[in-house]
Amino acid sequence: GEDVEQSLFLSVREGDSSVINCTYTDSSSTYLYWYKQEPGAGLQLLTYIFSNMDMKQDQRLTVLLNKKDKHLSLRIADTQTGDSAIYFCAETSYSSASKIIFGSGTRLSIRP
Amino acid sequence: DAGVTQSPTHLIKTRGQQVTLRCSPKSGHDTVSWYQQALGQGPQFIFQYYEEEERQRGNFPDRFSGHQFPNYSSELNVNALWLGDSALYLCASSLWGSNQPQHFGDGTRLSIL
Repeated sequence: GEDVEQSLFLSVREGDSSVINCTYTDSSSTYLYWYKQEPGAGLQLLTYIFSNMDMKQDQRLTVLLNKKDKHLSLRIADTQTGDSAIYFCAETSYSSASKIIFGSGTRLSIRP
Repeated sequence: DAGVTQSPTHLIKTRGQQVTLRCSPKSGHDTVSWYQQALGQGPQFIFQYYEEEERQRGNFPDRFSGHQFPNYSSELNVNALWLGDSALYLCASSLWGSNQPQHFGDGTRLSIL
C-alpha cells in the first residue's frame, strides 16, 4: 500500500545545513512534496518535484529524489531559527489533484 | 487574490453532536479535498469533491460526509462525534487535471469534550 516514512526529530545548529529524509513505497508516485507546519498553523507548501526529476533547487532549499530507492530529501542551507517547524514529506499518484499521502512529519529544532 | 479560507477557526462540541465545517477554494480552483490531522500526526485524506460529486474517498466512516456547491465551496459534515474526532481539519483546493499543487487553508481546530 501507500506509505511515507520520515524520522520524527532533527536538531541542528543555527547556520548549519539541515537534511530531512523521507522514504515512500508507492512506485507510481507522480509528485513529491515538502510542506512546513508551524505551531497552530496550517500547511505551507515549500517545494515539490515531479517524479522524472532528480533535483530541484529553490533559494536555500534543495530537493533530491532517488526514484530507484524511493528516497526523497530536503536540504535547508544556512538554517535559521525561523526554520523551526514540522516538515512533512508527501506524495500523490496520477495527478497533482489526487489525494496526498503524508508522512508523520519531522520536527526540526534549531540550537543557538 | 484570496487563498483557501476555512471557517470557523476553532470549534468545541460534545460527544454525539454533529458539526459542519466550511471551505472556500482559492480563486480559479474547482476541486476541494478534506484532510484530518490528529495531534502529532500527518494529515489523512478524507475525501475529494469535483463538479459537486465525491470523486475519491479515504478510509473514513460514513459519519463523514461532504458537499460541494456550484461556486466550488465545500462543506464537511461529521455526525455522532466522539472524542477521536478531535483534530485539525484541513481543506485543500486545486484545479482538476492541472499539474499545479494543492493549496491548503489554515484549518479548523475541532475539540470534542
